[in-house]
Amino acid sequence: AQSVTQLDSHVSVSEGTPVLLRCNYSSSYSPSLFWYVQHPNKGLQLLLKYTSAATLVKGINGFEAEFKKSETSFHLTKPSAHMSDAAEYFCVVSEWSSYKLIFGSGTRLLVRP
Amino acid sequence: EAGVVQSPRYKIIEKKQPVAFWCNPISGHNTLYWYLQNLGQGPELLIRYENEEAVDDSQLPKDRFSAERLKGVDSTLKIQPAELGDSAVYLCASSVTGTAEETQYFGPGTRLLVL
Repeated sequence: AQSVTQLDSHVSVSEGTPVLLRCNYSSSYSPSLFWYVQHPNKGLQLLLKYTSAATLVKGINGFEAEFKKSETSFHLTKPSAHMSDAAEYFCVVSEWSSYKLIFGSGTRLLVRP
Repeated sequence: EAGVVQSPRYKIIEKKQPVAFWCNPISGHNTLYWYLQNLGQGPELLIRYENEEAVDDSQLPKDRFSAERLKGVDSTLKIQPAELGDSAVYLCASSVTGTAEETQYFGPGTRLLVL
């Protein structure tokens, strides 16, 4: 069965510094992987997704993620954090057999001025 | 293009009362999902519809939860009777065809508080 582990429940960075949110996955098949962001009292928004094409995936708002099969990782990065990036981020794997999304437990990003 | 619409946004009820949530998916999206998100956790799938058919309801607690998607568009999720532990955010999502690599688009959710 597929699963994802987000290695940090909270990450705090200063505005203008790089962001790294870590995610490891477990999958028996070639997975589809996603990063979603959730701002307070708002719906989940897709940042980016990997579907077996290029291993470096670029998303919205300057975020990108690299699929590393050898490390079973799909870490999310951004070169320079902005105050508006403060939110909850979810790493997600799609289960091939049922098309169900399996969410990680989330990482709360705090951006300090 | 309008996104996924959910109502109400907030609901407070007393335990043992019934409650219903409504979802209108993005136009043209055949697949509809209901997720449950407990505080501090990621969402978990409750039920998935392909048009009118519930194709995965294995995680739906059928003793108190029910759902329907008449005419393959709008959907309603009901809890009767509600329990204290049902306090959570109920999210609706939709996608065009429901394949594994396809993006699911989420609504803002309904935040339920059971007293």
